[in-house]
Amino acid sequence: NAGVTQTPKFQVLKTGQSMTLQCAQDMNHEYMSWYRQDPGMGLRLIHYSVGAGITDQGEVPNGYNVSRSTTEDFPLRLLSAAPSQTSVYFCASSSVTAGNTIYFGEGSWLTVV
Amino acid sequence: GENVEQHPSTLSVQEGDSAVIKCTYSDSASNYFPWYKQELGKRPQLIIDIRSNVGEKKDQRIAVTLNKTAKHFSLHITETQPEDSAVYFCAANANAGKSTFGDGTTLTVKP
Repeated sequence: NAGVTQTPKFQVLKTGQSMTLQCAQDMNHEYMSWYRQDPGMGLRLIHYSVGAGITDQGEVPNGYNVSRSTTEDFPLRLLSAAPSQTSVYFCASSSVTAGNTIYFGEGSWLTVV
Repeated sequence: GENVEQHPSTLSVQEGDSAVIKCTYSDSASNYFPWYKQELGKRPQLIIDIRSNVGEKKDQRIAVTLNKTAKHFSLHITETQPEDSAVYFCAANANAGKSTFGDGTTLTVKP
């Protein structure tokens, strides 16, 4: 049981480049979300999904796109990377039947230069 | 939307002392309040949670209390140990699928 798997773990991007952070979960959770964590700060919600085909914006959605074509996968796309997007990104999943406990992936460290 | 405030931002205690971290929330619809521990370079991990129909929950040295009227909840760690040193986050969940997190408390337990 892998839980929540996200890739890559580390990435360096140049300003203006685009990339996709991959996220997959094997727990059949209906809810998935992406958070960013800046140094010394809490977790801020970027986008979330309550099921396949349904996504919604969180607290800091600008500059990011998501899609949820399957229950398992929830990729996060950076459209045109900016230095302000340097952060640690966590994908997470949860389920009502699992008590709404949030399970996090291991994190993706992204640096935009 | 939901707003969660967490205090203090840093907390230093001697080994064996107790530590208390407090959070307040704004959305009266929130009904699930988890606490996460995050060690340096690692993902947040759930340590305890409480739901709105319960006032207190305990798990060995960790306890959480909830006051729905005042919209605040607290984490209590007794008999602290150096391995308790980490960043602790509270969260409030009103809408299924997303939670609002506090800014975290860095706990240092000095041997």
